[in-house]
Amino acid sequence: GQQLNQSPQSMFIQEGEDVSMNCTSSSIFNTWLWYKQEPGEGPVLLIALYKAGELTSNGRLTAQFGITRKDSFLNISASIPSDVGIYFCAGPTSGTYKYIFGTGTRLKVLA
Amino acid sequence: NAGVTQTPKFRVLKTGQSMTLLCAQDMNHEYMYWYRQDPGMGLRLIHYSVGEGTTAKGEVPDGYNVSRLKKQNFLLGLESAAPSQTSVYFCASRQRPGGREGAFFGQGTRLTVV
Repeated sequence: GQQLNQSPQSMFIQEGEDVSMNCTSSSIFNTWLWYKQEPGEGPVLLIALYKAGELTSNGRLTAQFGITRKDSFLNISASIPSDVGIYFCAGPTSGTYKYIFGTGTRLKVLA
Repeated sequence: NAGVTQTPKFRVLKTGQSMTLLCAQDMNHEYMYWYRQDPGMGLRLIHYSVGEGTTAKGEVPDGYNVSRLKKQNFLLGLESAAPSQTSVYFCASRQRPGGREGAFFGQGTRLTVV
């Protein structure tokens, strides 16, 4: 079945640094979603992308829909301690109704 | 506005016992989902529903059953719990695919099967 692979699996960064992570698929996606999960909570949507090449920002977060439609990227600028959490990419399978999630990138920010 | 509410939040079961997890949403969403989250494996879709009275299998449906008798509720049942079902379970709902609001998640149910 379709899989979403995220890298890196985890990151330890200093406060103020920029962060980049990506998500790749073995098949084409028409939608890419990026979620953040904080400890003890459910995931919360950060950014949604619907067109190849689309670049969308949400505050310090910027996400891009890859041209090949098989990947997506999330960047966080000037990280702060509250950026800590697990970041997931997600997208619909061919049937549209089912959304699958990547394995996540765990981010830790050192003050 | 409560959003998506899951009950219970924690539960310990003995192998072979049964239980039902309840998910309730007050946003009048059509689509509802049950996921399980295990370390290093992200969120895996168990079952989902595209409307009242409908259910469908996700990626890992074995050992689980679901029902959507009312639009606002989506129940996940374990008929005979196994240690492999120890996990954190999340329910989510959304209005429709393609909407920029994405899915809204509950806070999760931590289930341990001993």
